[in-house]
Amino acid sequence: GQQVMQIPQYQHVQEGEDFTTYCNSSTTLSNIQWYKQRPGGHPVFLIQLVKSGEVKKQKRLTFQFGEAKKNSSLHITATQTTDVGTYFCAGSRTALIFGKGTTLSVSS
Amino acid sequence: KAGVTQTPRYLIKTRGQQVTLSCSPISGHRSVSWYQQTPGQGLQFLFEYFSETQRNKGNFPGRFSGRQFSNSRSEMNVSTLELGDSALYLCASSSGLAAYTDTQYFGPGTRLTVL
Repeated sequence: GQQVMQIPQYQHVQEGEDFTTYCNSSTTLSNIQWYKQRPGGHPVFLIQLVKSGEVKKQKRLTFQFGEAKKNSSLHITATQTTDVGTYFCAGSRTALIFGKGTTLSVSS
Repeated sequence: KAGVTQTPRYLIKTRGQQVTLSCSPISGHRSVSWYQQTPGQGLQFLFEYFSETQRNKGNFPGRFSGRQFSNSRSEMNVSTLELGDSALYLCASSSGLAAYTDTQYFGPGTRLTVL
């Protein structure tokens, strides 16, 4: 069945360093969504990518959708302590499938 | 607009019991999806209801069931609870106009502990 894999599972960075999480699907996706869950909170929608090769930016966050629409990445430039949380990708084809997430910790 | 609300927020049950969780979606949203979140398995899709009909279902046993009312509020029921059912149960609402691609607006979740 459709699977969405995310790596790494955990990432610790020093404040100011960059961070990237990768999302890979076993099948071509219709679109991909990214969510952030703060510790003790619930997932909050960040962005949706639809087109092959699409790149979107939100301040220090850059989201990419692969040319084959099977992979995606989220890159955070100059991390801050407010970036702490778990980042999930969710790909859809016949269902919306969430990856297991990448948990980011940031030390100041 | 008010966000997605879930009740209760915390629940403790014993094995063999049953439990009912409630979710009120954002006003105007017609789709409600339920997810189980555990540290080991991440976010797993349970089912989605749209206009009172189950539109999609994940790979969970029949002990997990749900329904949706005419006002779009949804309930999820788990019967014959097992220890492994301990999890955070998240409800998400969406407009429902585009199955599988709608933005999901999550509620705060219900933390279920099975003893």
